[in-house]
Amino acid sequence: QVQLVESGGGVVQPGRSLRLSCVTSGFSFSSYGMHWVRQAPGKGLEWVAFISHDGGKKYHADSVKGRFTISRDNSKSTLNLQMNSLRPDETAVYFCARGWTYSILSGYSYPFDHWGQGTLVTVSS
Amino acid sequence: DIQLTQSPSSLSASVGDRVTITCRASQGIRNDLGWFQQKPGKAPKRLIYAASTLQSGVPSRFSGSGFGTDFTLTISSLQPEDFATYYCLQHNVYPNTFGQGTRLEIK
Repeated sequence: QVQLVESGGGVVQPGRSLRLSCVTSGFSFSSYGMHWVRQAPGKGLEWVAFISHDGGKKYHADSVKGRFTISRDNSKSTLNLQMNSLRPDETAVYFCARGWTYSILSGYSYPFDHWGQGTLVTVSS
Repeated sequence: DIQLTQSPSSLSASVGDRVTITCRASQGIRNDLGWFQQKPGKAPKRLIYAASTLQSGVPSRFSGSGFGTDFTLTISSLQPEDFATYYCLQHNVYPNTFGQGTRLEIK
C-alpha cells in the first residue's frame, strides 16, 4: 500500500535551518510529482511547494521563496524540504502529499490522494 | 494567485441533516478542485477530486459539483463521523491554494 512517512521535525531557533524528509513506498515514486503542505496550530492548510516527477520543475509559495527548497532523490524514493532562516510563525505540522502523474495506460491521476502523517516543526528560542 | 473563498466558515448541524459547503475561486479553474476532510491530529483525507468524482472508499453521501469558479460539497445525511473540518483545494495553477476551511460541528 502507498505510504508516506515524514521525519526531521523538531525544535529550532529562529533564523536556523532544518531539513525535512518524506520516505515513500508502495508506488512508483519517480513517476509522481510531490508536494509539501503545512498547518500552523489551530489554523488552515497552506500549500508550500511542488516538485515534478524528475525534479525538473519546482514551485514554492511566495512566503517561503528564497528560503525553502524542495528536492527529491528518486533512487531513495525520498522527498526533501530544506528550510532556512526559519521564523516563529512557521511553526507548523508539515505534510508531504503525492502529486499527479500521467500514463498512457491510466491517463491523468489527480493530486493529493495520499498524505503522510506530518512532522511538527517548532521555531522558538 | 487564485483565492478560494469557502462558506460558511463554520456550521452546526444534526445527524441526518443535509449540508452544503461552497467554494468560490477568484478565477476559472476548470474542474481542478478537490475536497478534503480533516479530523483533529490527522492528515487531510481526499473525498472528491476533479470537482465531482468520489474518491474510492468514500461513502456515497458525499458529492461534489461545479466547474469554473463555483463549487459545492454536499453531505446528504450527516453521520456522527462526518463532524470535522472541510477544505477545498485548487491545483489548476501554482501556487496551489486551499480554502480557509469549514468547521462542521454537532448541534
